[in-house]
Amino acid sequence: GIQVEQSPPDLILQEGANSTLRCNFSDSVNNLQWFHQNPWGQLINLFYIPSGTKQNGRLSATTVATERYSLLYISSSQTTDSGVYFCAPSSGGSYIPTFGRGTSLIVHP
Amino acid sequence: DGGITQSPKYLFRKEGQNVTLSCEQNLNHDAMYWYRQDPGQGLRLIYYSQIVNDFQKGDIAEGYSVSREKKESFPLTVTSAQKNPTAFYLCASSGMASTEAFFGQGTRLTVV
Repeated sequence: GIQVEQSPPDLILQEGANSTLRCNFSDSVNNLQWFHQNPWGQLINLFYIPSGTKQNGRLSATTVATERYSLLYISSSQTTDSGVYFCAPSSGGSYIPTFGRGTSLIVHP
Repeated sequence: DGGITQSPKYLFRKEGQNVTLSCEQNLNHDAMYWYRQDPGQGLRLIYYSQIVNDFQKGDIAEGYSVSREKKESFPLTVTSAQKNPTAFYLCASSGMASTEAFFGQGTRLTVV
């Protein structure tokens, strides 16, 4: 199956800083989602982005499917951005999300 | 409210007992999934179902069983054959027109 690598594994920021999270995947994808897992374990949908660029407030994402990577940008980070960010592409004939190990983000006030 | 409901939120069981986790969705989604998450890890696929009365094993199906008798429901049974059942279990669903997956709030299972 598709392999997913996320970097960095851990990230510590001061409130107000910007950051870029990267997701590399091993195969062509038919779907890709970014999720934020909050401290209570809930997975929150951020982006559904098999290709192209999308923006939602302070967050934006870009997927370059031909080069097999996706980027999540967080600008002007806030303490509520803390948590784990997962990239979950799917490939082949199914649309089953496959997860990386995530990037753990801590934003200090 | 449309969404995915998992119950219970916390579950404690003695070793050797089977336990069933509930997952219900009212999004009219065809596909449903079960994942397991261990501390500091990503999500691993246990079972998935793309249509009623049909389901497939995921990467870590040993010691688990599922059923899909109704479109809305996809219960997961953790059997006594599962060696390390203590984990956080997440259920998800997705549709055919839009394949975006949505998750329930999870069930934390502790086996003592």
